[in-house]
Amino acid sequence: QKEVEQDPGPLSVPEGAIVSLNCTYSNSAFQYFMWYRQYSRKGPELLMYTYSSGNKEDGRFTAQVDKSSKYISLFIRDSQPSDSATYLCAMIRLTGGGNKLTFGTGTQLKVEL
Amino acid sequence: GAGVSQSPSNKVTEKGKDVELRCDPISGHTALYWYRQSLGQGLEFLIYFQGNSAPDKSGLPSDRFSAERTGGSVSTLTIQRTQQEDSAVYLCASRRGTGGASYNSPLHFGNGTRLTVT
Repeated sequence: QKEVEQDPGPLSVPEGAIVSLNCTYSNSAFQYFMWYRQYSRKGPELLMYTYSSGNKEDGRFTAQVDKSSKYISLFIRDSQPSDSATYLCAMIRLTGGGNKLTFGTGTQLKVEL
Repeated sequence: GAGVSQSPSNKVTEKGKDVELRCDPISGHTALYWYRQSLGQGLEFLIYFQGNSAPDKSGLPSDRFSAERTGGSVSTLTIQRTQQEDSAVYLCASRRGTGGASYNSPLHFGNGTRLTVT
């Protein structure tokens, strides 16, 4: 079993929809959580990072962490075709993990006109 | 400013040949990572360099893989006697970190080298 599970999709939504992307993890040592966006043939770029359980909002993006359930989410409001990309969750242990990020497999999102 | 630069962007090689992949991190970034991205597998950690400390090689899949970082800047990932299962996108990332965890200063990724072993 992988430490971080993420549905690979593809997920197809109409423009303007609310998108929900999710990851689950098995190791409670993960304490910091990130979401990366990766366009085709490009490197991942950081969208958001959070530590605490709860919500963190940045424009159209909201990151949500539920440590008790070992579940994290990224919500995209008013989705645009330019949001079409692969979204990767990533997380870091506070101890024993060095400074390595552990990634999910990524969810491919397509926002259609 | 310039981002993380990787070369070549694409590499096709025959099984059994050696390959070298290059990474130029962002100037001033002390931490450098190599990850491998295979279809459906996500990003797999390979190796991590931090300043003058001994690198964390715990993710290297076999002794055919090695990496070095010269002068605390440019890094080269070498794969000897390539196998078909080595086909993947090799991503390099750097961050401005003199200590502490990656969450404090985000990883900046290059666009990767797409390696195909025939």
